[in-house]
Amino acid sequence: GIQVEQSPPDLILQEGANSTLRCNFSDSVNNLQWFHQNPWGQLINLFYIPSGTKQNGRLSATTVATERYSLLYISSSQTTDSGVYFCAVLPTQGGSEKLVFGKGTKLTVNP
Amino acid sequence: ETGVTQSPTHLIKTRGQQVTLRCSSQSGHNTVSWYQQALGQGPQFIFQYYREEENGRGNFPPRFSGLQFPNYSSELNVNALELDDSALYLCASSWTPPDEQYFGPGTRLTVT
Repeated sequence: GIQVEQSPPDLILQEGANSTLRCNFSDSVNNLQWFHQNPWGQLINLFYIPSGTKQNGRLSATTVATERYSLLYISSSQTTDSGVYFCAVLPTQGGSEKLVFGKGTKLTVNP
Repeated sequence: ETGVTQSPTHLIKTRGQQVTLRCSSQSGHNTVSWYQQALGQGPQFIFQYYREEENGRGNFPPRFSGLQFPNYSSELNVNALELDDSALYLCASSWTPPDEQYFGPGTRLTVT
């Protein structure tokens, strides 16, 4: 099955710093989503981005489907950005029903 | 617009027992997917229901079963609970596959 790798696994920043999170996937996909999981376990939708670039406030994402990667940019980080960021893809092969998640990037933003 | 809701929030069961978890999909969505998230891991797909029919299943044994009702809400049933079933169970709803999925707050199940 498709492999989804996220890097780095852990990231520690000072408030105000910028960061880039990466997601590589091993096969073609119909869909790619970025999530932020808060300390209570809720997955918050950040981006639905099978290709191209999107921006939402301090966050932006770019997916290059032909090269099988996606990047999540966080600018001017805040302590509330702390948590785990997941990339999830919907593989083209084997039907279109299941999201396959990476292992996540744990972000800690210190004041 | 009401988001995805799940009940209960937390549950403690004993090995061998059975459990039912519930999910109400977001208004207008007809597809519900269930995921299991073990501690420190990404969510793993259990199965999906689309218009009351199972529409794909992950690598989970048959003791994991589900239902979708005419109002598109869903249940996840787990029989003969094992210690390894302790996890966060997440429900997601979407319009039609492969549309964007929206997740509920989860049910944290502990099996002792």
